[in-house]
This record gives sequence, structure tokens and C-alpha cells, in this order.
Amino acid sequence: DGGITQSPKYLFRKEGQNVTLSCEQNLNHDAMYWYRQDPGQGLRLIYYSQIVNDFQKGDIAEGYSVSREKKESFPLTVTSAQKNPTAFYLCASRQLRGTEAFFGQGTRLTVV
Amino acid sequence: GENVEQHPSTLSVQEGDSAVIKCTYSDSASNYFPWYKQELGKGPQLIIDIRSNVGEKKDQRIAVTLNKTAKHFSLHITETQPEDSAVYFCAAAGGSYIPTFGRGTSLIVHP
Repeated sequence: DGGITQSPKYLFRKEGQNVTLSCEQNLNHDAMYWYRQDPGQGLRLIYYSQIVNDFQKGDIAEGYSVSREKKESFPLTVTSAQKNPTAFYLCASRQLRGTEAFFGQGTRLTVV
Repeated sequence: GENVEQHPSTLSVQEGDSAVIKCTYSDSASNYFPWYKQELGKGPQLIIDIRSNVGEKKDQRIAVTLNKTAKHFSLHITETQPEDSAVYFCAAAGGSYIPTFGRGTSLIVHP
């Protein structure tokens, strides 16, 4: 089945630790995105990438980092510099010539 | 950058009634307006979209209207069913097709 896989579904970390969220897609999409979702806040763009080895900051990139070494993978690292990391994180991908963004099932990160 | 406002934040209807969710956007360059449905604990899924060269689009019980002059667009769901209960997001995007999302509407359909 084609799709976007985010892992793990739930993640717990201690404050001050970096943590990496996985996002893999087998849709052969060029563009990939990371969004953060907080209650009542909608989806806010963290980072996006439209081609391998290139990525751009979104609206709330501070405290996050990404890499795009392979077309199918776009991992997100939540660093200790992110002041309020507890949230639901969503990865999405899209064909550059298409319009629809396809979302993964999300990772709920809780920092204690 | 683009700013998308969405109302209401919560909408409660009886099964069989219609539901309307409204959004406004700020960037006149936006030309693509998708609507996503998100069920609890899952990722959003596209349910309908509209481009700026079209004023209305319909897909069975769902329709979207766009007023480019006023910079607002709306989602209409007719004959609502309990399985329509979810959070709905509107979004707006320009030439890069990177959507800016509204804050979401929690739709509750009572049987």
C-alpha cells in the first residue's frame, strides 16, 4: 500500500533531550512537510522540502531541525531549544505538479 | 504571509441538518483552497478543493463556494450524518501549493 508512515505513534521524552520523529513515504512525492498541531491552533508549518538535500523553514522552525538525504524520508528532530515541544506532529507529502497534500497519521510527542 | 480565519470553532447540528463552515484569507495571490477532515487521532484527509477560477464545486453531500473578491470560501455539508463528526480545516495556498490552515471547526452531528 502506498502512503506516508510516521513513527512512533506516541513518544515520551524527558525535558532537555533531543528526539527525532520519523516520516517515510512510498508515493514518490517530491515535496514533504512537517506541521505541528496544538488544540485550537490549527496546523502550523515547521519545515518543508521540495527536493532532496534542500529544505526551507516554515512559520515556526525555531527549536527544530530536519534533513532530506533521501526522497522518501524527511525526519524531524525536536531539539532541547524548543520551549514547548509537547504537541501532535504531522508529516505530509505532495507531488510537485499536484495540489493535494497527503498526511501521515501523526506522532504525539509528550515531554515531561 | 497568508492568514486564514475559520469560523465557527465548534458546530453542533442534528442528523439530517446542513452544516456551513466559513473561512477568510488575506493573500490575494492565493489560488488553491482545500478542505480537510480530521478524525480523532488521525491525520487530515482531503475531502474537497477548489481553485480560484471556479466559484463553486460539489461532490455528493459536500460543496464548496469561493468568493475571490471578498476573499472568503465556505464548506457546505447537507444531510449530515453522525460519521461526519470530525474536525474540519480550511486552507489557502498560492503558486507553491504550500497550504496555510485555519484553526479548525469541530463538527458534532447528534443522532
